Amino acid sequence: DGGITQSPKYLFRKEGQNVTLSCEQNLNHDAMYWYRQDPGQGLRLIYYSQIVNDFQKGDIAEGYSVSREKKESFPLTVTSAQKNPTAFYLCASSFGLQETQYFGPGTRLLVL
Amino acid sequence: GQQVMQIPQYQHVQEGEDFTTYCNSSTTLSNIQWYKQRPGGHPVFLIQLVKSGEVKKQKRLTFQFGEAKKNSSLHITATQTTDVGTYFCAGDFGNEKLTFGTGTRLTIIP
Repeated sequence: DGGITQSPKYLFRKEGQNVTLSCEQNLNHDAMYWYRQDPGQGLRLIYYSQIVNDFQKGDIAEGYSVSREKKESFPLTVTSAQKNPTAFYLCASSFGLQETQYFGPGTRLLVL
Repeated sequence: GQQVMQIPQYQHVQEGEDFTTYCNSSTTLSNIQWYKQRPGGHPVFLIQLVKSGEVKKQKRLTFQFGEAKKNSSLHITATQTTDVGTYFCAGDFGNEKLTFGTGTRLTIIP
């Protein structure tokens, strides 16, 4: 099956810990994205990558880091510097930056 | 920066009533896309509009792109409980990535 997957579905973090969210796609898409969604709110762009080994900050990049070593993978690390990380994190991919985005099922992060 | 404003933020309708959400941009868009996110789910692509004045229909959903390509609307006729969710527009300004609107959250009163 082609698609975009995220793991884990739920993630619990203790304060002061870094955690990494996984995002994998087998759609042969060049571009990948990370969004944060708070309850009842819209999508806020954290980071995006147009091509392997290149990525750009979005609107709320502080406290987050990413890597794009492979075309299929775009992991997001939520660092301890992110003071309010509890949210729903969505990964997406597309052929190009203006093309239709396909979203993964999301990861819900909760800080304990 | 380039922004896409979407209104209303929330809409509660009785089942069977119509629903409309609007997206507006201060600058011309190359195209606009619409997505739907069911409660607890992830956004799913619905449609893309490219031409000035374009109108597309998907069953009870009607999508319009303004003549000036600065605004768009999504109209649902005779809402059903399956229409519940948040509807997002996403604008392409032709020079960078898509810009998502803030979304309209639709709830249906049975």
